Amino acid sequence: DNQMTQSPPSLSASVGDRVTITCRASQSISSHLNWYQQKPGKAPKLLIYAASSLQSGVPSRFSGSGSGTDFTLTISSLQPEDFATYYCQQSYSDPLTFGGGTKVEIK
Amino acid sequence: QVQLQESGPGLVKPSETLSLTCTVSGYSISSGFYWGWIRQSPGKGLEWIGTIYHSGSTYYNASLKSRVTISVDTSKNQFSLTLSSVTAADTAVYYCARDLTQGQELFSSGWYGAFDIWGQGTLVTVSS
Repeated sequence: DNQMTQSPPSLSASVGDRVTITCRASQSISSHLNWYQQKPGKAPKLLIYAASSLQSGVPSRFSGSGSGTDFTLTISSLQPEDFATYYCQQSYSDPLTFGGGTKVEIK
Repeated sequence: QVQLQESGPGLVKPSETLSLTCTVSGYSISSGFYWGWIRQSPGKGLEWIGTIYHSGSTYYNASLKSRVTISVDTSKNQFSLTLSSVTAADTAVYYCARDLTQGQELFSSGWYGAFDIWGQGTLVTVSS
């Protein structure tokens, strides 16, 4: 299986901060990388697909980049509603696999 | 507006079979898209269980393949999950979800494999 490793596991940030989360695949996945946001008690919400394509309805402060094995999710200016856990997921190889998550907390 | 809703028992005894149904509203399953099951447990995080196409073609996570069956009932606009011989390790929140890609084979270059619409999730506990 293609292991997805996210860093950091958690971070503290303030409203207005620029936040970057990284995701590394154990094997190359081209651009087959998706990002989700999950709030407590809720289902994950798709933010970015194919590494850099913004899902419809998602604010433009979210962006994704990368290819091969290294990817980043950037929130350009953190908003109160962005405090959540973020997951990456690869769709290049069978089985689909998810990262362990990055929890973004209020500083 | 497309909505998905999981239903099924919240408690299953060890060695028995877990059965869940996902009812889709606002879209006809037979019109396309892939439909998947994903689970989330504190110990294993998010885990893809499998995906089905409206035609009935299925794709399973190899780690669960011997115990999993996913089926579709287009007349009821539902798809279902059964997981046999459950243990405490199968305790999790189970989600059904829609894969946003249309018209591409799984794991092909044009397939995104991204789940854009999710059900609210249902907690299944395996315990005697």
